[in-house]
Amino acid sequence: QKEVEQNSGPLSVPEGAIASLNCTYSDRGSQSFFWYRQYSGKSPELIMFIYSNGDKEDGRFTAQLNKASQYVSLLIRDSQPSDSATYLCAVKRTGRRALTFGSGTRLQVQP
Amino acid sequence: DVKVTQSSRYLVKRTGEKVFLECVQDMDHENMFWYRQDPGLGLRLIYFSYDVKMKEKGDIPEGYSVSREKKERFSLILESASTNQTSMYLCASSFMREGGEQFFGPGTRLTVL
Repeated sequence: QKEVEQNSGPLSVPEGAIASLNCTYSDRGSQSFFWYRQYSGKSPELIMFIYSNGDKEDGRFTAQLNKASQYVSLLIRDSQPSDSATYLCAVKRTGRRALTFGSGTRLQVQP
Repeated sequence: DVKVTQSSRYLVKRTGEKVFLECVQDMDHENMFWYRQDPGLGLRLIYFSYDVKMKEKGDIPEGYSVSREKKERFSLILESASTNQTSMYLCASSFMREGGEQFFGPGTRLTVL
């Protein structure tokens, strides 16, 4: 079992719709959770992080964390073609300095 | 704004050459990391450093070494480049605090012929 799992996609949504990206992790002791966006040929850029169970909103983005189910998600409201990218889920595990990354989900927003 | 820079965006080397990739950050971060990214395999940690002259192996250290002589600079060394080291190399840095969010440089696309 991979430490951080994401569906590779592509996830295709129409412009204006809500895109829902999901991530599961195996280490129950994981503390912090991050979502990065990576455009083709570019490096990952941090969108959001979440530490506590529940929802965290930032503009059109909402991160959701459920530690009991070991599940973290990212919702993108009013999706735009410019949101088309690969979204990486990353987890900080207890006692580890480095993040563990999933393989990413490719999102395509259709105009 | 955090700024992480890498010495080259694109690099082409021959098999057997010694390759140096350099990374510099300007935010006084304690932690620095080297990853490689390959299609379908995601980001894999090669080495990281939590202080000057301190380093720890990541998940795939074979064929690589690192050097951190100054806090702001972290170098990745390919002792004898091989074709299977053709990849995108990403440097990142972070504060030594609980949050742990990492900031990435622009990446170096290395091709070994």
